[in-house]
Amino acid sequence: EAQVTQNPRYLITVTGKKLTVTCSQNMNHEYMSWYRQDPGLGLRQIYYSMNVEVTDKGDVPEGYKVSRKEKRNFPLILESPSPNQTSLYFCASSPPRDRGEFEQFFGPGTRLTVL
Amino acid sequence: QKEVEQNSGPLSVPEGAIASLNCTYSDRGSQSFFWYRQYSGKSPELIMSIYSNGDKEDGRFTAQLNKASQYVSLLIRDSQPSDSATYLCAVPTGNKLTFGTGTQLKVEL
Repeated sequence: EAQVTQNPRYLITVTGKKLTVTCSQNMNHEYMSWYRQDPGLGLRQIYYSMNVEVTDKGDVPEGYKVSRKEKRNFPLILESPSPNQTSLYFCASSPPRDRGEFEQFFGPGTRLTVL
Repeated sequence: QKEVEQNSGPLSVPEGAIASLNCTYSDRGSQSFFWYRQYSGKSPELIMSIYSNGDKEDGRFTAQLNKASQYVSLLIRDSQPSDSATYLCAVPTGNKLTFGTGTQLKVEL
């Protein structure tokens, strides 16, 4: 089954404790992205990756890191989480834009609470 | 001005009616436009894409694009309670995808 998986689905942590949210896709997509979703602010892009070893900032990259060492995986790293990073996080992937689509396939989401 | 703007709603329509959802965008160079549907507690899913001025129909859904007015809309005909969800408009800018804040649609029996 074609899918994007994220782990963990729920996480409660404390300020300053480094964490990683994993994301994996099995559709051989080049493009992968991380979003956070907050009430009233909608979905905002954190980072995206056009392909292996190619990453770039989205609209809200501060406090986050990413890496893309393999095509299928795109982990999101919070080196020192703070309460304002409490949010619902989505990973997404899509085929190359030159195929005429920017269709994002979303993972199930990770609800993060930073105390 | 926000890059992609939507009325947050909620928009309430009776079952069987036409629901009209609207989105405006600021980048005149935008070439492609997407509508995603998000049920409460779930992840967004793509329901429509449109690239050219005019209408594009897919089942009960019609996307309408007017590049001169920087306006894209989604019409849902014969609205069903199962259409109750938040609808997100998305517009690529370069390699980034910018979403509107979404319009909540409620279809009432």
